[in-house]
Amino acid sequence: DGGITQSPKYLFRKEGQNVTLSCEQNLNHDAMYWYRQDPGQGLRLIYYSQIVNDFQKGDIAEGYSVSREKKESFPLTVTSAQKNPTAFYLCASSRDSQKETQYFGPGTRLLVL
Amino acid sequence: QKEVEQNSGPLSVPEGAIASLNCTYSDRGSQSFFWYRQYSGKSPELIMSIYSNGDKEDGRFTAQLNKASQYVSLLIRDSQPSDSATYLCAVGGGGSNYKLTFGKGTLLTVNP
Repeated sequence: DGGITQSPKYLFRKEGQNVTLSCEQNLNHDAMYWYRQDPGQGLRLIYYSQIVNDFQKGDIAEGYSVSREKKESFPLTVTSAQKNPTAFYLCASSRDSQKETQYFGPGTRLLVL
Repeated sequence: QKEVEQNSGPLSVPEGAIASLNCTYSDRGSQSFFWYRQYSGKSPELIMSIYSNGDKEDGRFTAQLNKASQYVSLLIRDSQPSDSATYLCAVGGGGSNYKLTFGKGTLLTVNP
């Protein structure tokens, strides 16, 4: 059963705490992406990775970090420098440079305590 | 800064009617166009992709692209209450440009 999984479904962050959101795919896709969605807003790109061990900043990378050590995994860390982290975080993947169709995981909702 | 504009709605149609969703984009070099459906609290799911001018039909859905006018639309025929969702338009640069730019979405409500 191929697809994209994200965990946890809900995540609570305390002030000054770093938290890591998991994203795994078994679609054998090369490219992976992280988006943030706020109420009434479109999806905004945080980071993306076209290949293992390489990633680029998106439009709103400040306060976030990523790694891409394996093709299947693209975890996102929300650092304490991100002052307004409450949002719906979406991970997506696409097959290759010629196939831009992105498929989304179920999302993680991050809330601040 | 690439922009994708959608009417935020809500767009309300009766069951069985045709729903028409519109999207304009600013980058004339855009090559790929996508429509996603997003139910409340859920992640986006792909409905249609279109790359060439003209119409593309898939069941009750038809995507229309006019690159000269920088306009893409989605028609939903025989609208059902289960079609009630937010519809996101996404535009890509094509080639090795992996990045998509998303509109803010149009909320569609289909009334029984």
